[in-house]
Amino acid sequence: DIQMTQSPSSLSASVGDRVTITCQASQDISNYLNWYQQIPGKAPKLLIYDAFYLETGVPSRFSGSGSGTDFTLTINSLQPEDIASYYCQQYDHVPLSFGGGTKVEIK
Amino acid sequence: QVQLVESGGGVVQPGRSLRLSCTASGFTFSSYGMHWVRQAPGKGLEWVALIWYDGSNQYYADSVKGRFTISRDNSKNTLYLQMNSLRVEDTAIYYCARDKTTVNSAFDYWGQGTLVTVSS
Repeated sequence: DIQMTQSPSSLSASVGDRVTITCQASQDISNYLNWYQQIPGKAPKLLIYDAFYLETGVPSRFSGSGSGTDFTLTINSLQPEDIASYYCQQYDHVPLSFGGGTKVEIK
Repeated sequence: QVQLVESGGGVVQPGRSLRLSCTASGFTFSSYGMHWVRQAPGKGLEWVALIWYDGSNQYYADSVKGRFTISRDNSKNTLYLQMNSLRVEDTAIYYCARDKTTVNSAFDYWGQGTLVTVSS
């Protein structure tokens, strides 16, 4: 099974900061990597698919990069509405798997 | 607009069964793969099961294999999760999610979730 490791598990940043979350796969998953945002009390929402494609309607301050085993989600200019947990997810192999999540807070 | 509405959650004793449903609207249900994803209280997301657009293939997480069955009725635009031999550790919010493709890629729409509590 493929293990997905996210870091950090939590972070605190100021409005306007650039935030970077990393996700590492235990084996090569090409670009079969998605990112989700989950606001507390809500269902998850797809942000980025196939490592770097922005889902329709998602603000352009979100971007994704990486391939193989190492991936990054970047939020340029953090906004108050970005307070949430963020999860990476691989779909290269079944069973599909999520990272442990990164909780983003405003400083 | 795409809507997914889960139902069937509740409180159940360990060892018992429960069937969840997810009713879809706003899109051609038979053209998309579908998933169940769960989230234990205060924990992260865990993928549970996948079924292809035509129901021809199903895949499961190791933690539920042999106990849970995913199925779909494309004539009723409904996805199901039959959960047998429930354990305390199955307690979670269960979300249904649509795949972006006919089989397996990203989960582009999610329901609001239904809570399953396994407790004696």
